Amino acid sequence: DAGVIQSPRHEVTEMGQEVTLRCKPISGHDYLFWYRQTMMRGLELLIYFNNNVPIDDSGMPEDRFSAKMPNASFSTLKIQPSEPRDSAVYFCASRPGRYSLAKKKGTDTQYFGPGTRLTVL
Amino acid sequence: DAKTTQPPSMDCAEGRAANLPCNHSTISGNEYVYWYRQIHSQGPQYIIHGLKNNETNEMASLIITEDRKSSTLILPHATLRDTAVYYCIVRVATGNTPLVFGKGTRLSVIA
Repeated sequence: DAGVIQSPRHEVTEMGQEVTLRCKPISGHDYLFWYRQTMMRGLELLIYFNNNVPIDDSGMPEDRFSAKMPNASFSTLKIQPSEPRDSAVYFCASRPGRYSLAKKKGTDTQYFGPGTRLTVL
Repeated sequence: DAKTTQPPSMDCAEGRAANLPCNHSTISGNEYVYWYRQIHSQGPQYIIHGLKNNETNEMASLIITEDRKSSTLILPHATLRDTAVYYCIVRVATGNTPLVFGKGTRLSVIA
């Protein structure tokens, strides 16, 4: 398996522009998570999905952020309009469901993508 | 989920064992101890987890005290590639809430 795939790996944009980050979870995983990491705040959860349905978006900083999961193999995180304080590394992670065959490893084992480094000028 | 306390940083000589402590004095009976690490510029990576028995896998060993209020992650022969931030997380194994990452311990393996 290729693991969690994120694109782009690096994004540089100007303030006010729309930014779309993409994630392909590991096939068969029921959960998908979006995290943001900065030096000041560490690793923060933004939103997570279970079976393509958003479960908790309380970590989304404001209405400028939105996330979708149209199917089990694809999710997007959109920022519109972007601001310099949105500069961070954004990680996507996926996890098997509760009754998956990965039980022996612990159903809370999350698999992270390589991240997207976003710079908003 | 119970809170954890870890030292902010540690050094270890290459080839020696790295012992990373974690305190979780408020852990409850159905909560597991999970360890993840994050190598610079990469996403966090699962290492190991346990409930009350000591665990070992190809990456590390996890020693949990009998009262379960603390644990130690052991990297038996640390290499330069083990330099990373190590996170100790306590939570119910089948919990439907996400992992919460604290500040972790920054381990520097020195040649």
